[in-house]
Amino acid sequence: EEQLVESGGGLIKPGGSLRLSCAASGFNFRAAWMSWVRQAPGKGLEWIGRIVSNSYGGTADYAASVRGRFTISRDDLGNTLYLHMNSLKTEDTAVYYCSTWDSGLWGQGTLVTVSS
Amino acid sequence: DIQVTQSPSTLSASVGDSVTITCRASQSISIWLAWYQQKPGKVPKLLIYRASFLQGEVPSRFSGSGSDTEFTLTITNLQPDDSATYYCQQYSGQGGQATFGQGTKLEIK
Repeated sequence: EEQLVESGGGLIKPGGSLRLSCAASGFNFRAAWMSWVRQAPGKGLEWIGRIVSNSYGGTADYAASVRGRFTISRDDLGNTLYLHMNSLKTEDTAVYYCSTWDSGLWGQGTLVTVSS
Repeated sequence: DIQVTQSPSTLSASVGDSVTITCRASQSISIWLAWYQQKPGKVPKLLIYRASFLQGEVPSRFSGSGSDTEFTLTITNLQPDDSATYYCQQYSGQGGQATFGQGTKLEIK
């Protein structure tokens, strides 16, 4: 069964850092292009970034709202996607989902709360 | 960056009705558009990809059409379970970007 499982969310103070993980199973993660999407409480979906497969260079792109603060990386040996978040702001409070770029597989999400 | 404008923001219809939701992209995205359904507290569910391809076990009451900058999601024979928020997403990858529409909240009367 194809599955994505996020972890690493929690309560963090403004200005802090956090790393989210997304464990993939049941599909060819090495070949997959992966995204992170977030949803603030009561708000819509916001795409925040993508990483292509290493066979396409393994590069990442970001939405303007997180560019320069967030970094996406991947470990193909461990079938894990990461989201490194720095300089967190209260407006980064959201449920964070990992997903495949175009096949509709999503994790269950992990909540990040940025608050003093 | 490509902007995506989704309308209407809310919609109310009765069981058995048909509804259409529109998504407009600020520049051509060919057919790189998806539609998602999200119910409160749940993970978004992919309904349509590449503008018109039905995902997996999604009922044929859902259909998508369009290309370039204008797209529609049509739901026929509305059922109570269709009550949800629907999002379009462009994933053309231009500039490495993707964008979601603002969402349409569908209420079944």
